[in-house]
Amino acid sequence: DADVTQTPRNRITKTGKRIMLECSQTKGHDRMYWYRQDPGLGLRLIYYSFDVKDINKGEISDGYSVSRQAQAKFSLSLESAIPNQTALYFCATSDQSKGETIDTQYFGPGTRLTVL
Amino acid sequence: RKEVEQDPGPFNVPEGATVAFNCTYSNSASQSFFWYRQDCRKEPKLLMSVYSSGNEDGRFTAQLNRASQYISLLIRDSKLSDSATYLCAVISLKLIFGAGTRLAVHP
Repeated sequence: DADVTQTPRNRITKTGKRIMLECSQTKGHDRMYWYRQDPGLGLRLIYYSFDVKDINKGEISDGYSVSRQAQAKFSLSLESAIPNQTALYFCATSDQSKGETIDTQYFGPGTRLTVL
Repeated sequence: RKEVEQDPGPFNVPEGATVAFNCTYSNSASQSFFWYRQDCRKEPKLLMSVYSSGNEDGRFTAQLNRASQYISLLIRDSKLSDSATYLCAVISLKLIFGAGTRLAVHP
């Protein structure tokens, strides 16, 4: 079974619609992230959360909101979708181990979102 | 200037070739460095971390040059299965990914 799952895997929607992308993890990690990936631009951080009560904006948070419902769940919402939000969205988790400084990201399989 | 830059490629190489990619970063205070591999339409997966002293994992060697602010990934004896996009990632205050370098290994 996958450690990080995302639903839906693909979604086509229309401009103005509200969309929620969900992420669940069984790794027991405290930290969760949402990224979008666009050709030529790489992965860009939208929001991140270091624990259930912690929400932080990333590089490109405008037009998005998030909810950390539990340690294992982190959802991303597009309140009113627009075409330039068409992208591949990845959820990721990480765990800053004791004594380590390296923060390795474990990614979900991605959600391909198309906004018409 | 982007904080992390990579040559997008593609690098087209025959099986058995040695190929190297560089990734430059702009923040001299960057502390941690990584190479991720991403197959087409799949999620990125950690390939290897990059340590100050350099590190090797089988056919893959990663190096850090702090003076010139770049990291490198060397792949020896390329296999068809190495075809993918290689993303570098750098941590300063946050984790920043490069846009990736595409490698295509042909028979």
